[in-house]
Amino acid sequence: DADVTQTPRNRITKTGKRIMLECSQTKGHDRMYWYRQDPGLGLRLIYYSFDVKDINKGEISDGYSVSRQAQAKFSLSLESAIPNQTALYFCATSETGQGQETQYFGPGTRLLVL
Amino acid sequence: GDSVTQMEGPVTLSEEAFLTINCTYTATGYPSLFWYVQYPGEGLQLLLKATKADDKGSNKGFEATYRKETTSFHLEKGSVQVSDSAVYFCALGDPNAGGTSYGKLTFGQGTILTVHP
Repeated sequence: DADVTQTPRNRITKTGKRIMLECSQTKGHDRMYWYRQDPGLGLRLIYYSFDVKDINKGEISDGYSVSRQAQAKFSLSLESAIPNQTALYFCATSETGQGQETQYFGPGTRLLVL
Repeated sequence: GDSVTQMEGPVTLSEEAFLTINCTYTATGYPSLFWYVQYPGEGLQLLLKATKADDKGSNKGFEATYRKETTSFHLEKGSVQVSDSAVYFCALGDPNAGGTSYGKLTFGQGTILTVHP
């Protein structure tokens, strides 16, 4: 079984709709991250959480919100989806501790906003 | 702030050719450096990493050496295979950053590699 899972894997929605992308992990890591990937732009950090009570904005958090329901679960919401949020979204996890920056990624959710 | 610049792609090679993908960085402090690979339809996987100057990371025939003097971490492979076709990302992390910066990675834009038989 995959250590980091994302649901759904693909989603089509309409402008103005609220949607939620979910991420679960079995690695036991405290830290979780949400990124979006756009062609030619690499990965950009949306939000990150260092533990259940610690949530921080990344470089492109506008239009997004997150919820850390448990150590193993980190959800990303688009409150009112718009077409330029069409992208590939990745969840990632990492351990806590000096030098523990290696991140482990889920398979991604491909989102299309019409 | 920290940044990573990768060689523009796409890169197209024949099987058994030599591969270099350039990566340079700008950072304060002494970052750890990473190469991640993304195969079609999948998430990113760690390919290799180096945590201090002159370290060489290696995995699956790929190598990269942490060059502090040139702020570079170029990815190389002596003989590529069709199965190496993927997107490659260079990234840096700062283990010494304080507060909420600690543990975050900064990614380059990615380089698409296509290997033909």
